[in-house]
Amino acid sequence: DGGITQSPKYLFRKEGQNVTLSCEQNLNHDAMYWYRQDPGQGLRLIYYSQIVNDFQKGDIAEGYSVSREKKESFPLTVTSAQKNPTAFYLCASRGGTVSYNEQFFGPGTRLTVL
Amino acid sequence: KNQVEQSPQSLIILEGKNCTLQCNYTVSPFSNLRWYKQDTGRGPVSLTIMTFSENTKSNGRYTATLDADTKQSSLHITASQLSDSASYICVVSGTFSGGYNKLIFGAGTRLAVHP
Repeated sequence: DGGITQSPKYLFRKEGQNVTLSCEQNLNHDAMYWYRQDPGQGLRLIYYSQIVNDFQKGDIAEGYSVSREKKESFPLTVTSAQKNPTAFYLCASRGGTVSYNEQFFGPGTRLTVL
Repeated sequence: KNQVEQSPQSLIILEGKNCTLQCNYTVSPFSNLRWYKQDTGRGPVSLTIMTFSENTKSNGRYTATLDADTKQSSLHITASQLSDSASYICVVSGTFSGGYNKLIFGAGTRLAVHP
């Protein structure tokens, strides 16, 4: 999982609650990403950040929010507006050469709505 | 529409046998293609990355091929081991207007290696 940590590994949320997923990296990467993974589907991009204090919406940003106050940290908040939040959430950071532009993934957080 | 399709959806093989996983893509413009291995409940780990000019790349028992003309890639696993049981994800990177780089993920092939 290469220098990217996510916590908690498992998270349970009640209806109407906001929850925050942590993502920390010590790879000195500028860019960080949040993805959602559902069974039988490819990963979908929620939010990404290319630099500190800047972030952009991905393909499925509704019901989620992020912050990027430090280079090392990119927390994701799943708000009560996200109607179907049960999924596996993956954080990634980007490094390598311009040609390869490789993303490194964290171990993931499995969120379940009770 | 930018898409990545993988086949088969799932595969069962016996330990020691070889197998080949397929990936077809329609992503344009194309930047590079990666294969990731994802163990159950874990994050994906990179196996290979190939740019437009590369048509084969190996990583131990894993060999990826790329045909940029037909927009097809394959991942060949030689002498499979029980630890190869995982999902294998094909990911295509495209560079779009404004220099924005985006990854398009396939749904993955779930491989089970049985003793």
